This record gives sequence, C-alpha cells and structure tokens, in this order.
Amino acid sequence: DTGVSQDPRHKITKRGQNVTFRCDPISEHNRLYWYRQTLGQGPEFLTYFQNEAQLEKSRLLSDRFSAERPKGSFSTLEIQRTEQGDSAMYLCASSPRQDPNTGELFFGEGSRLTVL
Amino acid sequence: GQNIDQPTEMTATEGAIVQINCTYQTSGFNGLFWYQQHAGEAPTFLSYNVLDGLEEKGRFSSFLSRSKGYSYLLLKELQMKDSASYLCAVIIDYKLSFGAGTTVTVRA
Repeated sequence: DTGVSQDPRHKITKRGQNVTFRCDPISEHNRLYWYRQTLGQGPEFLTYFQNEAQLEKSRLLSDRFSAERPKGSFSTLEIQRTEQGDSAMYLCASSPRQDPNTGELFFGEGSRLTVL
Repeated sequence: GQNIDQPTEMTATEGAIVQINCTYQTSGFNGLFWYQQHAGEAPTFLSYNVLDGLEEKGRFSSFLSRSKGYSYLLLKELQMKDSASYLCAVIIDYKLSFGAGTTVTVRA
C-alpha cells in the first residue's frame, strides 16, 4: 500500500492553458475527494466520488473545472482556461468507509498549481 | 452552512502543554476531526469525536461539547516535531469542512 498518490506534484502554467491532475487512491477505497488549499487556509471541498459516481460538486467548482473517476479507481481533475486565482494546492483524499459520515480521510501530498 | 473558528497562531515551549480551541456553527453535525499538517505536506488524521467528552491518544487528546459547539485539541509534552498547523474539521453532508488551521510553533 503506497498511500494516495498525486501527479504531478508541481505544475507551472500560463494563464489560459488547461491543466490536468491525477489521483490514485488507496486501493479498494471507494470514496474519493478533491480539495483545494491556499496558503494560510484549510482545505476547501471541491467534489466527491463514491466509486465512479460523482455525488457532489461545490459551488466553488466553476464550469472550467471537471473531475472524473472512470471505473471507480483513479481520478482526474481538469482545469480549463486557467486563471491566476486557480493557483493553489489541489489535494486528493480517499476513504474506505461505507458510511460517508464516519471515517478519516487519507490525503495525498497534493499537486501545487502556479498560474502565471 | 457552517462556520469553524480556531486561533491563527500559538507558540509554546518544548515540554509544555498547548490547548487549541475550535468553535463551530453548523446546520447539521456528524462528527469532528482534528488533523495535523506540516508545512508543505498532506494533512494527517489525529482524532475523531462524535460524542461529548474526552478522547485520549498518547500525547494528544481531543474534547467535544456538542451543546456548546466547542472542541479542543490538547497537546502534551510538546516536542519540536509538533510544530505544524492543526486543522479542526466537521463532517456535514458526507464531507469534511475545515477551519483555517492553527499554526503551532514549539520553541526550545
């Protein structure tokens, strides 16, 4: 078990470009979350998957953001037409619990995005 | 909606005790978590409270009062490696909502 892995760890891009982040959760974890964190703040919820189904999206997730989890394993988060305000750490977390109201989250190391 | 408030920064001496308070206002409540996050690293789970009272786990303890919307994390016998951000989070509608975190600096 290698834990939750995210790729790339760092991404620098120019405004207007598209970027994609990948998350590989701990195997057999059926719940997967994406959070965004900026300096000095706690993680902000973006979206959540139960297996392959995307169950909730935050209003923070504009139409430039899209997330997928095909086959209920790895997930991707794509940001189209990036803006400087998208610069943040994008954290992925997974959890094995069937009941979504219990259980801790296991976070990956994050993908840091810098938009110039 | 929910508001989660915790102090921004705290400083303590190695070997001492520090208490980090967290207050929350939520329209629903299903449990409270504390996470530790070292600079540049992922948050890691510390504790979970769903019932009132104190949960002890080695040098760390967490307390919850649901009627007061209040929790604290108690760090005893502080070590230099405890310097980190401590995040209070509540479960609402299947997801964790985090406070801004309290940065604890441990001095020798």
